[in-house]
Amino acid sequence: SQKIEQNSEALNIQEGKTATLTCNYTNYSPAYLQWYRQDPGRGPVFLLLIRENEKEKRKERLKVTFDTTLKQSLFHITASQPADSATYLCALGFMDSNYQLIWGAGTKLIIKP
Amino acid sequence: ETGVTQSPTHLIKTRGQQVTLRCSSQSGHNTVSWYQQALGQGPQFIFQYYREEENGRGNFPPRFSGLQFPNYSSELNVNALELDDSALYLCASSQQGDEETQYFGPGTRLLVL
Repeated sequence: SQKIEQNSEALNIQEGKTATLTCNYTNYSPAYLQWYRQDPGRGPVFLLLIRENEKEKRKERLKVTFDTTLKQSLFHITASQPADSATYLCALGFMDSNYQLIWGAGTKLIIKP
Repeated sequence: ETGVTQSPTHLIKTRGQQVTLRCSSQSGHNTVSWYQQALGQGPQFIFQYYREEENGRGNFPPRFSGLQFPNYSSELNVNALELDDSALYLCASSQQGDEETQYFGPGTRLLVL
């Protein structure tokens, strides 16, 4: 069956450390993968997109890797801050289905001062 | 803020009633997608509108319907509400040539009693 898995348990990280979140999927062949941040009661906010032919993408303190053989993406936040506390969602994108996104359930990240 | 607005922010209905949710897309965006997000889950794709035509649909029954207007704003209508329809309803807009990047509104929280 097709599924997307993200850490269901909240991730507690000490301020200043690197937070690493995982997105695993099975029986999908996405053209790209996106990471979003979502705060309680708000809509998701786009962070990064990585394509199937890319291994790594960076934006400021954020880094995403994409391994299509392992069917896994890792999302890293370096020098984490309490303001980074939120739920982070990964979403798979497909060019042949009108850019429809298939989403994971998200991982709640808590950065402790 | 993304420039995508939704109304109302919260809504309470009873089972069997009908509801209309509204979305105003970001300026220049001609594509609107609607998602349903249950508590603790990732968003699920309902349907997408492009230039006033439905352009893709997820696994939702026909009682979920939509419209897009010439100014690219959109409505989501749900008939015969069921308790399981309680969720956060999100709309996202994107522009031609950059369909992969979706900008989400804050959502409408619907509670069906």
